[in-house]
Amino acid sequence: DAGVTQSPTHLIKTRGQQVTLRCSPKSGHDTVSWYQQALGQGPQFIFQYYEEEERQRGNFPDRFSGHQFPNYSSELNVNALLLGDSALYLCASSPGTPGEQYFGPGTRLTVT
Amino acid sequence: QKEVEQDPGPLSVPEGAIVSLNCTYSNSAFQYFMWYRQYSRKGPELLMYTYSSGNKEDGRFTAQVDKSSKYISLFIRDSQPSDSATYLCAMSLEAAGNKLTFGGGTRVLVKP
Repeated sequence: DAGVTQSPTHLIKTRGQQVTLRCSPKSGHDTVSWYQQALGQGPQFIFQYYEEEERQRGNFPDRFSGHQFPNYSSELNVNALLLGDSALYLCASSPGTPGEQYFGPGTRLTVT
Repeated sequence: QKEVEQDPGPLSVPEGAIVSLNCTYSNSAFQYFMWYRQYSRKGPELLMYTYSSGNKEDGRFTAQVDKSSKYISLFIRDSQPSDSATYLCAMSLEAAGNKLTFGGGTRVLVKP
């Protein structure tokens, strides 16, 4: 049973560009959450998707947007990249809200 | 002040010792408490999940929650070099699958 998968593994972008990160949840999970983890810090909640709708959102600007597809996979889009967006982006899935969240390996984004 | 505080360490212990980790939090509405282990450049791995106050044991791991003191702990018995990692506490208001608020993580080093 494959766990949560994310692509790409690493990404280097230039300030001002746009980026799309992808996530496939664990089998049987229908809820996907995205987190940003800066170096040496704990993950920060970006938003959560359920039934193709954004259900919760953390304190992140509108430059951060997402999407969930009918197969429960998800994308995170970041526009107008800033140097401060450099971080590990983590996707977590759960079998609805009662279930615990399981994390993928993350996508390391570097903005130069 | 952060909602969840965690000593960053590093915490260095000899192999076989008990590792004691803790977090304090300010929001008394947190009900679900989790501990994750994160190896360098990897995604967090769920170790323990508890609801409300009390103790939970799983193999070498014991999690304790004291809601009256807003304090949670994780104990690792018979520590091994493979336990060397960063340990993150996380908590949620309404359900384990909802927004997680993380501590900054404690780096643990178990020396052979």
